Amino acid sequence: DGGITQSPKYLFRKEGQNVTLSCEQNLNHDAMYWYRQDPGQGLRLIYYSQIVNDFQKGDIAEGYSVSREKKESFPLTVTSAQKNPTAFYLCASYDRDHEKLFFGSGTQLSVL
Amino acid sequence: GENVEQHPSTLSVQEGDSAVIKCTYSDSASNYFPWYKQELGKRPQLIIDIRSNVGEKKDQRIAVTLNKTAKHFSLHITETQPEDSAVYFCAASLSANAGNMLTFGGGTRLMVKP
Repeated sequence: DGGITQSPKYLFRKEGQNVTLSCEQNLNHDAMYWYRQDPGQGLRLIYYSQIVNDFQKGDIAEGYSVSREKKESFPLTVTSAQKNPTAFYLCASYDRDHEKLFFGSGTQLSVL
Repeated sequence: GENVEQHPSTLSVQEGDSAVIKCTYSDSASNYFPWYKQELGKRPQLIIDIRSNVGEKKDQRIAVTLNKTAKHFSLHITETQPEDSAVYFCAASLSANAGNMLTFGGGTRLMVKP
């Protein structure tokens, strides 16, 4: 199934709560990315990591945090500072040999 | 930074007709232009891409054209089928070797009526 696994598929957040979205890949890709997708809009880059123990802010990083302690894992935390978190979140990894971006199946986050 | 505009936002065609989706980009340095197809509730999947050293690329019923002078590129689907119904995204990048450089268009919802 593409080698990138996102979990959970659906997630609900209460007011003031931090939640963490999981992204795991077994493709041996160095680079990983988090995108946010809102209805009727394109994908916007939240954070990216080109290599283990390093990550950079994307276009809409405010209210989010990430870590990259292992090559296979790039979890995204949606903090209480993100006031409008309802969206579809997509994780991706990059195959430099074939110059292709592979996406996970996504997590739909909603606010209770 | 790069800005990608995509039109139309929705497109309805009859099965067997052709569909054309157009994108414009702002940064003349962009040189990689992929197209992704996203079916409802599923992940985007790369369907075709083009680099700036060619003007057209075909893969069966799908083709992409690029006009670097005008800074626009288009996706052409011929003989559309119901399974082509999906949201299509274009993107532009300064380099094919950097997923973080991709800027996406807003998407086009294609509906193919049987």
